[in-house]
Amino acid sequence: EGQLLESGGDLVQPGGSLRLSCAASGFTFSVYPMNWVRQAPGKGLEWVATISDLAGSTLYADSVKGRFTISRDDSRNTLHLQMNSLTAADTAVYFCAKDIGGWDAFDLWGQGTMVTVSS
Amino acid sequence: AIQLTQSPSSLSASVGDRVTITCRASQDISSTLAWYQQKLGKPPNLLIYGASTLKSGVPSRFSGSGSGTDFTLTISSLQPEDFATYFCQQFNTYPLTFGGGTKVEIK
Repeated sequence: EGQLLESGGDLVQPGGSLRLSCAASGFTFSVYPMNWVRQAPGKGLEWVATISDLAGSTLYADSVKGRFTISRDDSRNTLHLQMNSLTAADTAVYFCAKDIGGWDAFDLWGQGTMVTVSS
Repeated sequence: AIQLTQSPSSLSASVGDRVTITCRASQDISSTLAWYQQKLGKPPNLLIYGASTLKSGVPSRFSGSGSGTDFTLTISSLQPEDFATYFCQQFNTYPLTFGGGTKVEIK
């Protein structure tokens, strides 16, 4: 079925930057769109970004557009999220998630990595 | 952005109860809806996609229905392991959006 393992979460000051990674295994990473979803402490789920297979296109939530960049390295089966100009509102657990294949569900999720933005 | 409104936001039920959770979209999303279960400290787990297709390996007591703007997740006979929070998500239009969640607690 596969596995996703996020890393890179940390405590960062407001205005700072962070790069998250998501290592994929157990499936053919390159053929699936991939996503980042976040969840603030005690809150619901918020879609952050999507990258298509072959990195043909990227999509972002308005709340992160212009500050976050999603990318993928298919040679290393790795998904990334570069986060710049971080604010307290970005504090959350960040999950990477695999598209089921038809752009209509996320069928595999990582355990998440915590990003805390605080001075 | 398409808004998804889940109801109720929480419910208390007993083992063996039939439980129904509703997700209403702010506009027509056809059948592009998924349901997830999330337990505390864990990532979401896909239950249903395409509004009514059960993901392989998910118990048959879970079912989904609806199209357009009104959708339902039903648990036919609640089991102890089903106490969790449930979210709907629409895939009709970007930005993708989630419902606010329904917490199912033990009565």
